[in-house]
Amino acid sequence: GESVGLHLPTLSVQEGDNSIINCAYSNSASDYFIWYKQESGKGPQFIIDIRSNMDKRQGQRVTVLLNKTVKHLSLQIAATQPGDSAVYFCAEGGNTGKLIFGQGTTLQVKP
Amino acid sequence: DSGVTQTPKHLITATGQRVTLRCSPRSGDLSVYWYQQSLDQGLQFLIQYYNGEERAKGNILERFSAQQFPDLHSELNLSSLELGDSALYFCASSVVGSTDGYTFGSGTRLTVV
Repeated sequence: GESVGLHLPTLSVQEGDNSIINCAYSNSASDYFIWYKQESGKGPQFIIDIRSNMDKRQGQRVTVLLNKTVKHLSLQIAATQPGDSAVYFCAEGGNTGKLIFGQGTTLQVKP
Repeated sequence: DSGVTQTPKHLITATGQRVTLRCSPRSGDLSVYWYQQSLDQGLQFLIQYYNGEERAKGNILERFSAQQFPDLHSELNLSSLELGDSALYFCASSVVGSTDGYTFGSGTRLTVV
């Protein structure tokens, strides 16, 4: 069936370190991927996206890497801050309008 | 504020009851999507409407239904509620029918007791 999964349910990092959150997807035909951040009591918030014709995309302090060969997606957060503490989801999207979400990784930032 | 408004924020109701969740999309967005987030299932797509018409259906139970009105707001109706329906229900909107520019609301937390 369809699935977009994350490797680790929880990631704990020291403030100032870089964070890497991983995601594996199963549908090799997928052409659009998004990372969302969800803070407690809020809806998912868009972080960054990438299309399948790219392998890297950078935003402010965030980078998404896409490896289509192994169907792997990662989110890198530079200089992680306490405000980055949240649950991070990767999602697979496209023209259908439907997003398929992974289970989420909880990022804990230690001061 | 994402621009997508969901009401109510919290809802507590008894088993067997019926509730209606409301979503107002971001200004200019024609598509509305509903998602259910439970602890053991993550975020699951329920249904999509585009400019008043149903466009896609996910794992939505027959006890659940939705509609999008001419002013583009949408309602999700949940009936014959069961304990397992307790979850966060999110609405998202986008300009067109794809996942580009998806914006989520802050959700409605439904508790069935």
